[in-house]
Amino acid sequence: AQSVTQLDSHVSVSEGTPVLLRCNYSSSYSPSLFWYVQHPNKGLQLLLKYTSAATLVKGINGFEAEFKKSETSFHLTKPSAHMSDAAEYFCVVSDRGNAGNMLTFGGGTRLMVKP
Amino acid sequence: DGGITQSPKYLFRKEGQNVTLSCEQNLNHDAMYWYRQDPGQGLRLIYYSQIVNDFQKGDIAEGYSVSREKKESFPLTVTSAQKNPTAFYLCASSSGRETEAFFGQGTRLTVV
Repeated sequence: AQSVTQLDSHVSVSEGTPVLLRCNYSSSYSPSLFWYVQHPNKGLQLLLKYTSAATLVKGINGFEAEFKKSETSFHLTKPSAHMSDAAEYFCVVSDRGNAGNMLTFGGGTRLMVKP
Repeated sequence: DGGITQSPKYLFRKEGQNVTLSCEQNLNHDAMYWYRQDPGQGLRLIYYSQIVNDFQKGDIAEGYSVSREKKESFPLTVTSAQKNPTAFYLCASSSGRETEAFFGQGTRLTVV
């Protein structure tokens, strides 16, 4: 069975300061991991994905995430927050043991960016 | 442009009525999914389909039904048996295992 825990339901940062959104996962197999962003009343947009290649993954809009197997973590970071980054972020896991390719979602982290 | 289209964007339903949400994709993806999202919560899987004419229940299938007669289409019917249908509904598709899903823009259903 697979599961995802996003450790913070809300994160608040000032514009121009670093962003850290934390995600821990459990998986019986080598997982694929994703981060999605959702703006209000919109669908989810893929930020980045890890699929067993390089452990440091770069995504869109300056975001990146590092896969750490020993810590079962996949934290999302950005060096400098922008007002447009304010949104809901979801960490997602999928592994090959999952017959339906069902994605398991974390509970989400709402990022607030203060001017 | 390739993508997933959900319609309508907003939908109002009277209690006791069935309503169908549309989801169409032109990405040639085999797998399609329906998720429900409630305020401040993550996504919960309602139904998924890996291939035409086949679908499986997700975690919260009660009160919902789907069909998959065409690869491109995966409509969701919210029946009167669904006790609390007001929510944001998201459709997604993917090309296979361990690949990312692509999402539509969602349908907000409100029961009045």
